[in-house]
Amino acid sequence: QKEVEQNSGPLSVPEGAIASLNCTYSDRGSQSFFWYRQYSGKSPELIMSIYSNGDKEDGRFTAQLNKASQYVSLLIRDSQPSDSATYLCAVNIRLQGAQKLVFGQGTRLTINP
Amino acid sequence: DTEVTQTPKHLVMGMTNKKSLKCEQHMGHRAMYWYKQKAKKPPELMFVYSYEKLSINESVPSRFSPECPNSSLLNLHLHALQPEDSALYLCASSLLGTEKLFFGSGTQLSVL
Repeated sequence: QKEVEQNSGPLSVPEGAIASLNCTYSDRGSQSFFWYRQYSGKSPELIMSIYSNGDKEDGRFTAQLNKASQYVSLLIRDSQPSDSATYLCAVNIRLQGAQKLVFGQGTRLTINP
Repeated sequence: DTEVTQTPKHLVMGMTNKKSLKCEQHMGHRAMYWYKQKAKKPPELMFVYSYEKLSINESVPSRFSPECPNSSLLNLHLHALQPEDSALYLCASSLLGTEKLFFGSGTQLSVL
């Protein structure tokens, strides 16, 4: 099992709809969870961080964390064409005695006008 | 200043060349990172410096040599690279090493 797993997509969502991105992780001890957005040819940009169970909202973005199920998700409301990008889930995981930020494979999201 | 600055943005080098990538941050962050990213893949961790000391080396070949001259600067020295080393090289920093990372814009490296 990979440390962080995402559906690679592509995920197509009509403009104005809700886009739902999902991520699972293997380390029950993980405490920090992040969502990065990456446009083609650009570097990853942090859009959300979440550390405790429940929902965290920031504008059109909502991150959801369920540590019991080892599951973290990102909802994008009122999706816009500019939201088309690859979304990377990242989890702080203890590997070989060190804390490391491990990325999922990324989900490619396309918002159709 | 909330930026991580990387130079150069693009680099083309031959397999016998020696070059360096540079990274700078002035956010007071004490952990700095080098990641390598191939097309359509996630970033892969290469090195981590914590308080200017190398704390993680992900078994990276010796043709990549990191250096952290001070808490604001991070270099990656390149020598005798292979074409398969062509990738986007990303520098990142974080406050103390276990929190959110802030990435620079990256160096797109092509090895001919």
